[in-house]
Amino acid sequence: DTAVSQTPKYLVTQMGNDKSIKCEQNLGHDTMYWYKQDSKKFLKIMFSYNNKELIINETVPNRFSPKSPDKAHLNLHINSLELGDSAVYFCASRTGLPRLTGELFFGEGSRLTVL
Amino acid sequence: DQQVKQNSPSLSVQEGRISILNCDYTNSMFDYFLWYKKYPAEGPTFLISISSIKDKNEDGRFTVFLNKSAKHLSLHIVPSQPGDSAVYFCAASALVGGGADGLTFGKGTHLIIQP
Repeated sequence: DTAVSQTPKYLVTQMGNDKSIKCEQNLGHDTMYWYKQDSKKFLKIMFSYNNKELIINETVPNRFSPKSPDKAHLNLHINSLELGDSAVYFCASRTGLPRLTGELFFGEGSRLTVL
Repeated sequence: DQQVKQNSPSLSVQEGRISILNCDYTNSMFDYFLWYKKYPAEGPTFLISISSIKDKNEDGRFTVFLNKSAKHLSLHIVPSQPGDSAVYFCAASALVGGGADGLTFGKGTHLIIQP
């Protein structure tokens, strides 16, 4: 009964393709995030959703589009994949606003490799 | 622009001794700090946190110290155990306009506990 689950765990695809990564949390949390860990190992926030509403959108290309059908799910769709998109993508969740004073719960990560 | 810096990519410590992991930050708006632990092929898991109104927080073998004037925090693990071998991420939180925020992570320090 994984708290934050992501699928797929590994994804290998060609440049130019469109792909999605799904995330689901069963913790009843209100806020969900996507983080990217690049080759330099930095974990950087990409998006934050609170109750299906976009809260944070860092400087991420428009090719990345998050979708939150309900507050337990936050999916990441990536169009026209580029080599630089290769990274590990982590989904995370926490209890709701106002501000973060507790921990984030992370998924296991989805390793995307673009060839 | 690295706002959270972990200058030691790796640290090797003998089992039973103290492990000290360091973290520096530059953003004076940060007021909540966390340490996360990450095993290979898993997501980061929360370890311990500290608010800027405190200078120390202890939880079992783990103690976090905060020196606000130096913008420095450290994680002490004593005694170190083989299961502590992992990558440790320092993270910081600041209130962003709108009432929502994420975490800013350092690059991580790979702690290796030698038997």
